[in-house]
Amino acid sequence: DQQVKQNSPSLSVQEGRISILNCDYTNSMFDYFLWYKKYPAEGPTFLISISSIKDKNEDGRFTVFLNKSAKHLSLHIVPSQPGDSAVYFCAASAANTDKLIFGTGTRLQVFP
Amino acid sequence: NAGVTQTPKFRILKIGQSMTLQCTQDMNHNYMYWYRQDPGMGLKLIYYSVGAGITDKGEVPNGYNVSRSTTEDFPLRLELAAPSQTSVYFCASSSTFETQYFGPGTRLLVL
Repeated sequence: DQQVKQNSPSLSVQEGRISILNCDYTNSMFDYFLWYKKYPAEGPTFLISISSIKDKNEDGRFTVFLNKSAKHLSLHIVPSQPGDSAVYFCAASAANTDKLIFGTGTRLQVFP
Repeated sequence: NAGVTQTPKFRILKIGQSMTLQCTQDMNHNYMYWYRQDPGMGLKLIYYSVGAGITDKGEVPNGYNVSRSTTEDFPLRLELAAPSQTSVYFCASSSTFETQYFGPGTRLLVL
């Protein structure tokens, strides 16, 4: 039972354009959501997060949007840069738990 | 400040062998985690710890054991290696469970 789903295994975007990565979840108890970025042969690194009391959080070129009614969140990267090429994982947690549930990841390739 | 370190980086095991994957963090974090990542899959939680002396099972604990005798160290033990344990293993730590800091990973091949 995959509680956090990233249905697009890969995405290819031209440099300077917007990248939109999507994530769906099934557990209505999730109240905190994160995005992690992973380069080959490295561990994931934290990128941005959002609490369920918000519908948007912005950090520089990265914005995360949360639609609780649809159980959907998305990560927007504007403008996309070649250095953004990586695998992006969506993760979620429920209140009073001490763990994250990760999606399967989306590989983003930004080409010149 | 090294963050989270993992050893070894890569290991080949024969079926039935045992090994310990080492994980150390120098950030004084209470929370520590072990994940495995299979090709095309997300990170699956194996075991986690919320402090020294406290451990708990994650989603996929079978075939593994952990201990947490100090804040810094969280070793993962494989007792009888099986081909299904071929994976990349990541250790992570955090002060709160949300923002986790990951090590570089250990690639394990069981033949």
